[in-house]
Amino acid sequence: KAGVTQTPRYLIKTRGQQVTLSCSPISGHRSVSWYQQTPGQGLQFLFEYFSETQRNKGNFPGRFSGRQFSNSRSEMNVSTLELGDSALYLCASSQPGLRVTGELFFGEGSRLTVL
Amino acid sequence: AQSVTQLDSQVPVFEEAPVELRCNYSSSVSVYLFWYVQYPNQGLQLLLKYLSGSTLVKGINGFEAEFNKSQTSFHLRKPSVHISDTAEYFCAVSRFTGNQFYFGTGTSLTVIP
Repeated sequence: KAGVTQTPRYLIKTRGQQVTLSCSPISGHRSVSWYQQTPGQGLQFLFEYFSETQRNKGNFPGRFSGRQFSNSRSEMNVSTLELGDSALYLCASSQPGLRVTGELFFGEGSRLTVL
Repeated sequence: AQSVTQLDSQVPVFEEAPVELRCNYSSSVSVYLFWYVQYPNQGLQLLLKYLSGSTLVKGINGFEAEFNKSQTSFHLRKPSVHISDTAEYFCAVSRFTGNQFYFGTGTSLTVIP
């Protein structure tokens, strides 16, 4: 099985711009989660999508949004970029179902630099 | 609310020596516990997990962890480390329902030859 694929891997934007990141989960996985990873803060949960619906949301401003398509692929968007948005954005997929199965499968991440 | 504390941000250890990476959590509800590893320029990979049953959990690459409910801890151990164990290690918790994980800030393990 192919793993979780995230694109682009690296990108540079300037303050005020917007960015869209893409995530293709493992085939058959219907849950997709997004995390922001920064030095010193670790991983912080952004949101989770399941069957095209946002099921959980972390404590991030409304500039951070996401969606999931019928094929389970997901995108996240950050508008009006700020310097503090520079981070590694990780996508993780997991097996379907409401209960935790115990494993998130992570992509390699999209590294965003905001200048 | 759930939170995870990894007490050591950096742990240097000599090759073939034992290592323990500490993790404490707080939660008002029962949770599942996990350790993930992140090698340079890669995503996270599951090392081991505690869902229920025996409190001593064995994972990949010779790692093990012990769940201690009274101390709300889930420390990770390996009796003899290898150079290839150099990586960032993350402790995480998740509630029984839903798929929202709470991660610690990570411990950078450096194995010295």
